Amino acid sequence: GENVGLHLPTLSVQEGDNSIINCAYSNSASDYFIWYKQESGKGPQFIIDIRSNMDKRQGQRVTVLLNKTVKHLSLQIAATQPGDSAVYFCAEGWANNNDMRFGAGTRLTVKP
Amino acid sequence: GAVVSQHPSRVICKSGTSVKIECRSLDFQATTMFWYRQFPKQSLMLMATSNEGSKATYEQGVEKDKFLINHASLTLSTLTVTSAHPEDSSFYICSAREKRGATYNEQFFGPGTRLTVL
Repeated sequence: GENVGLHLPTLSVQEGDNSIINCAYSNSASDYFIWYKQESGKGPQFIIDIRSNMDKRQGQRVTVLLNKTVKHLSLQIAATQPGDSAVYFCAEGWANNNDMRFGAGTRLTVKP
Repeated sequence: GAVVSQHPSRVICKSGTSVKIECRSLDFQATTMFWYRQFPKQSLMLMATSNEGSKATYEQGVEKDKFLINHASLTLSTLTVTSAHPEDSSFYICSAREKRGATYNEQFFGPGTRLTVL
């Protein structure tokens, strides 16, 4: 199910490198996706979103890629900085509906 | 950007007592608010969805009589954990969504409330 309690996978990168965080979403009918960043002891922070009619969207230092064929979402962070260290969650849902469901999350650690 | 606040940020209580957590949207009207629970090193699990002026919709497995949700206004929702037990200790996070035109905006999350039940 979409809210399964799992231990977080981790990704460790060197400062300045690019990071790629992956997410497999569960519902092929989902048409709206969001990436969130959560720092320790804080609530999730919106990073970037994408609608299902797109396969790529770019923000400041971040790019989201959507592959609907295999239900895969990725977040690319360019020139990763120590401040990017956090847990990153993807969420799926529908743009005209309230409901968003969170994936398991990935812990990103940036080494100086 | 839109701001959502939660109060208190941390609470410690004795087993058997009830705890109320407030969630406020500070600069927008939230037609819908969500309550999540997050255990250590795990993802956010949706507990319930509340629309202003109507009863909350609870996710499967979440006891509505234990987790009372009130969404009395467009800027305030409360979650009351009744007769709390140590297994209720968790990080509770609310979010709020504003309806703009025909589509919904993204959710804005509060900073979370750390509940510890002794």
